[in-house]
Amino acid sequence: DVKVTQSSRYLVKRTGEKVFLECVQDMDHENMFWYRQDPGLGLRLIYFSYDVKMKEKGDIPEGYSVSREKKERFSLILESASTNQTSMYLCASSTPGTDLYEQYFGPGTRLTVT
Amino acid sequence: GEDVEQSLFLSVREGDSSVINCTYTDSSSTYLYWYKQEPGAGLQLLTYIFSNMDMKQDQRLTVLLNKKDKHLSLRIADTQTGDSAIYFCAENGGATNKLIFGTGTLLAVQP
Repeated sequence: DVKVTQSSRYLVKRTGEKVFLECVQDMDHENMFWYRQDPGLGLRLIYFSYDVKMKEKGDIPEGYSVSREKKERFSLILESASTNQTSMYLCASSTPGTDLYEQYFGPGTRLTVT
Repeated sequence: GEDVEQSLFLSVREGDSSVINCTYTDSSSTYLYWYKQEPGAGLQLLTYIFSNMDMKQDQRLTVLLNKKDKHLSLRIADTQTGDSAIYFCAENGGATNKLIFGTGTLLAVQP
């Protein structure tokens, strides 16, 4: 059974703080993704990675960076948190080994920036 | 550009059928998907349809695909309170590793 875990379910940070969100998957998946989920906007892709040390920008990368030093771990970094980054953050992984491209999701981290 | 649209909210009574609709723009998508997000959880793949099919049935779920109109629907028969969730449609935009998700439809099932 695929398991994607995220380091925190809830997080409260102050404006200007550096924030790290961690995601770990246990299925040896090559692809990993970070999304943010906001009501009425659905899921928007922030960054994704096809391999270790590889990253590509998604649709809304501004204000974020990522790190993938090991295959199983993909970190999202908010360099200087702002109130408009208050959101639900979802991590996902998938393998290119099938045509289906099914993504497996973690439970999410609800981040509040005050 | 790529865009996937859904209505935001649907309310049904327990035992009725629910129909959730979705329109997409990328006709090169090889698969179209329905994901379910239960309260406090991440998304889980509920069902999918290959782009050369018109319909797929899986127990209480029926997926209909109209490629000409780029319209996808999910019908849930005999809707139960446990079906209350947010439902996202998604497309894979022509055999890429990325999925493009819709805005999500909140299904509320009234007892």
